[in-house]
Amino acid sequence: NFMLTQPHSVSESPGKTVTISCTRTGGNIGTHYVQWFQQRPGSSPTTVIYEDDQRPSGVPARFSGSIDSSSNSASLTISGLKTEDEADYYCQSFDSTTVVFGGGTKLTVL
Amino acid sequence: EVQLVQSGAEVKKSGESLKISCKASGYSFTNHWIGWVRQMPGKGLEWMGIIYPGDSDTKYSPSFQGQVTISVDKSISTAYVHWSSLKASDTAMYYCVRGGYSGYDLTNWGQGTPVTVSS
Repeated sequence: NFMLTQPHSVSESPGKTVTISCTRTGGNIGTHYVQWFQQRPGSSPTTVIYEDDQRPSGVPARFSGSIDSSSNSASLTISGLKTEDEADYYCQSFDSTTVVFGGGTKLTVL
Repeated sequence: EVQLVQSGAEVKKSGESLKISCKASGYSFTNHWIGWVRQMPGKGLEWMGIIYPGDSDTKYSPSFQGQVTISVDKSISTAYVHWSSLKASDTAMYYCVRGGYSGYDLTNWGQGTPVTVSS
């Protein structure tokens, strides 16, 4: 089995850029796709990135995903931060029999 | 448009059974995995299990194996999770989520079903 580790919280000012990391322990980050979900308070999660770097229709181009094999991690970058981006963000990946979520990162935009 | 519509809120007592549902539309139901995710109050997302409606192949998280049963009814494009004997610790929000074209890459979420279990 494997784990995905995220920072508990990050904060940044409106208009700036923030990057949230997701480090895989056990297995290669590039072997199976990584997804990213946004969950605003009181709402269900929504997908902002799938298949490492793909944006669903309707998700602004300010959201981007990437993979770094050297650090065995994935990253979600949000540019031009808006107050509406304040939310919890979760990464997710899998192997042949298991789905794993990261612990979640609380993004504060202040 | 892909839609996953879950059944409504449930309030139960410890020891009772429960089955909640997730009706899918807007895509070929039998060709995509559907998973279930628990979110306890104030906590993160936990994977419970995942099922392939085409052949009912099911994988469970070790934490949920033997605690719940995941099933589908292909005739009505609906997935279920069933508890035979609820505990107060099952109080949580439960989400169904569709897998993408790679299988377990989760892409579309239901609105959630809140379950409250009193002791």
